[in-house]
Amino acid sequence: DAGVIQSPRHEVTEMGQEVTLRCKPISGHDYLFWYRQTMMRGLELLIYFNNNVPIDDSGMPEDRFSAKMPNASFSTLKIQPSEPRDSAVYFCASSEPGQSSYNEQFFGPGTRLTVL
Amino acid sequence: RKEVEQDPGPFNVPEGATVAFNCTYSNSASQSFFWYRQDCRKEPKLLMSVYSSGNEDGRFTAQLNRASQYISLLIRDSKLSDSATYLCVVIAMTTDSWGKLQFGAGTQVVVTP
Repeated sequence: DAGVIQSPRHEVTEMGQEVTLRCKPISGHDYLFWYRQTMMRGLELLIYFNNNVPIDDSGMPEDRFSAKMPNASFSTLKIQPSEPRDSAVYFCASSEPGQSSYNEQFFGPGTRLTVL
Repeated sequence: RKEVEQDPGPFNVPEGATVAFNCTYSNSASQSFFWYRQDCRKEPKLLMSVYSSGNEDGRFTAQLNRASQYISLLIRDSKLSDSATYLCVVIAMTTDSWGKLQFGAGTQVVVTP
């Protein structure tokens, strides 16, 4: 199993540019999560989907951030326009359905974003 | 005040020693608890779930104290490979099965030879 796949692994961009981060969850997992991690704020949940439908986007910092999940095998997190304070590691994670509501989350390797 | 708080450490532990640390949470509706491990510049990975009665997985023991609203992790016979940041995860009940999910900022453990 390939695990959760994220691309790109590193992104350096200039302030004001649009950034698109991509995620492919583990096949069969119906929950998908987007996180942001910084030294100052730790790991923050931005948004999560169930069966491609956004369930909770209360962690999305502002309108510059948007996330989509057009199908079960692909999700994007877009920042437009990007700002230096968006610099962070962005993780995608997925989880499978099961008897327990809270199953293990499998994280991707993350995208390290630097906004200059 | 943060909803989930951890001592950031670092906890410097001699190899073979025991180390323990806590994670406190403020939401009394929290119902599920986990410990994740994150190596430097890597993604978090599940270490263990935390059950009401406490649970053990090899050298790792997790405890839950609902009255005082904290969970703990104890590592016995520390190995160099235990050096990592340990993140606690707390989930509070809502109508959705995943609820309100919160990560702590992590406790760094450094095991020294």
